[in-house]
Amino acid sequence: QVLLHQSGPGLVKPSQTLSLTCVISGDSVSSNSAAWNWIRQSPSRGLEWLGRTYYRSKWYDGYAVSVEGRITINPDTSKNQFSLHLNSVTPEDTAVYYCARGGYTSAFSFDSWGQGTLVTVSS
Amino acid sequence: ENVLTQSPGTLSLSPGERATLSCRASQRISSNYLAWYQQKPGQAPRLLIYGASSRATGIPDRFSGSGSGTDFTLTISRLEPEDFAVYYCQQYGSSSWTFGQGTKVEIK
Repeated sequence: QVLLHQSGPGLVKPSQTLSLTCVISGDSVSSNSAAWNWIRQSPSRGLEWLGRTYYRSKWYDGYAVSVEGRITINPDTSKNQFSLHLNSVTPEDTAVYYCARGGYTSAFSFDSWGQGTLVTVSS
Repeated sequence: ENVLTQSPGTLSLSPGERATLSCRASQRISSNYLAWYQQKPGQAPRLLIYGASSRATGIPDRFSGSGSGTDFTLTISRLEPEDFAVYYCQQYGSSSWTFGQGTKVEIK
């Protein structure tokens, strides 16, 4: 059974960088079957997929158009985790952020989720 | 972007009743790319259905999915108390994922 545990600050100042980490238990960030995603949820934007990283003989990533240019998702094989970095944040980035696994049950859905982290962007 | 519209916004039903939730896409979707999730307050979404009609591991058979093209349906045959929650559809396309706005199933 895969477990995903998130950590990171709940308050970020405008224009700064939001950084979260997702530690994986029961699977590997280097799995050739899984993809590791970040998704956020807010009352104004609903559930919004942000991006993913995955390994298929080499590392790949992909990002939503809405955040492209501001986002980086990085794997850390030594700690079996992956991270989200979203820079130049504004109050519009206030949301509950989730990490999630894709690709195991289905390549096109998310079968395991982290517990969620409420991140508020405010000075 | 393929927009998913869920209806109704809220469904008020009693335990034991049948729930029928709709998800309509603005553009055609391959059935492989359509999933349904359940979310309870304070919790992450939980995968119920993938590939439009396949139940995820551990999901009771009172949950079923159907549909094709642009119209998809999640049916809960007999509502149990733990089924009152918000349900989301989700689709994959053009290397990204989008979600519907959700249908809340509440106790009547």
